[in-house]
Amino acid sequence: AQSVTQPDIHITVSEGASLELRCNYSYGATPYLFWYVQSPGQGLQLLLKYFSGDTLVQGIKGFEAEFKRSQSSFNLRKPSVHWSDAAEYFCAVGGGKLIFGQGTELSVKP
Amino acid sequence: SAVISQKPSRDICQRGTSLTIQCQVDSQVTMMFWYRQQPGQSLTLIATANQGSEATYESGFVIDKFPISRPNLTFSTLTVSNMSPEDSSIYLCSVDTSGTTDTQYFGPGTRLTVL
Repeated sequence: AQSVTQPDIHITVSEGASLELRCNYSYGATPYLFWYVQSPGQGLQLLLKYFSGDTLVQGIKGFEAEFKRSQSSFNLRKPSVHWSDAAEYFCAVGGGKLIFGQGTELSVKP
Repeated sequence: SAVISQKPSRDICQRGTSLTIQCQVDSQVTMMFWYRQQPGQSLTLIATANQGSEATYESGFVIDKFPISRPNLTFSTLTVSNMSPEDSSIYLCSVDTSGTTDTQYFGPGTRLTVL
């Protein structure tokens, strides 16, 4: 069955520190992979996506993600977190029908 | 990408009533989707709405409870019928602007509270 697992429900990092949010997926074919961010009271904004090619993809707001087929992972990274990055982050897999992970809530300490 | 708006942004309703949520896109799109996000939960696809055909519902969602209209390529509505407190959720529409690359862009959502 297709599924997405985000092992970390809540992460707290200090402003300026690096960030890595984990995402593991189960999918029968070559997956389309996405990261979305949801700020409080807002809809979802697409951060980045992977379809094929270079396994390191760059997104908006300084985020990047690396697709590792051998580990069935698509982890999101940012070298230096800003207070405005505090939000809920969702990993998703699929084509047409998106399957979402449970989300990781990111808090940023000043 | 696309600019997507939803109305209403939030509402508080009484049980047993129905609410229709509107989703408007600033460009023509083939595929529109409706999702539900229950409190503290992730997103679950309710149905796919393509213009000119009946909506396709996911397991656990039925047309009588969540009727959907798709009158043209820029607009869709989702009705939540005979509401109960368990229907309290955020309802989001999304669109696939490409038609081929399966990248979905989301509206701001409608926050529904049922008393």
